[in-house]
Amino acid sequence: EVQLQESGPGLVKPSQSLSLTCSVTGYSITSNYWGWIRKFPGNKMEWMGYISYSGSTSYNPSLKSRISITRDTSKNQFFLQLNSVTTEDTATYYCARSDYGSPFAYWGQGTLVTVSS
Amino acid sequence: DIQMTQSPSTLPASLGERVTINCRASRGISNNLNWYQQKPDGTIKRLIYYTSNLQSGVPSRFSGSGSGTDYSLTISSLEPEDLAMYYCQQYASSPPTFGGGTKLELK
Repeated sequence: EVQLQESGPGLVKPSQSLSLTCSVTGYSITSNYWGWIRKFPGNKMEWMGYISYSGSTSYNPSLKSRISITRDTSKNQFFLQLNSVTTEDTATYYCARSDYGSPFAYWGQGTLVTVSS
Repeated sequence: DIQMTQSPSTLPASLGERVTINCRASRGISNNLNWYQQKPDGTIKRLIYYTSNLQSGVPSRFSGSGSGTDYSLTISSLEPEDLAMYYCQQYASSPPTFGGGTKLELK
């Protein structure tokens, strides 16, 4: 059974970079698609981007200049980096697995990141 | 981007009641629609994919329907564990987008 687990700092200062790790067990990240979604206070949800089985990436245009998703296949982990954060990036961040043409079948439990000085 | 509008935003209901949550897309999405449940502890799971297909392990009291721009999620008989937030999400067009959520609460 695939399991995903987010980890990273819970507090980031404005203008700094947010970095999160998604550790995957029970399934290889060299298959399927692996992405990040965030849920803001007030319930809005936003797809951020994904990295594919081949290492190609796709990002939400709203974030394109600030976001990077990378991976370490030897550790079966993928990573989110979001640069130049502001308080508006405060959210719960989720990693998720998608199948081709069938998004977000499996989710991590989420990790709250607060942007504050 | 395709805008997804969910209604109602809050749905008070009684246990055993049949409940329906609606989702409208700003343009046709050809059934490329999923439904998710978020529990109070924050965990999210996919309930329905491609409009009406039940995710493995999801109780049969959940069902989905719709076409074009209008879709719905129905719970045939509300159980206590169903009290949660529900989201629709389209994937007909990138970026995938979510509805604003419906909070299902006890009447």
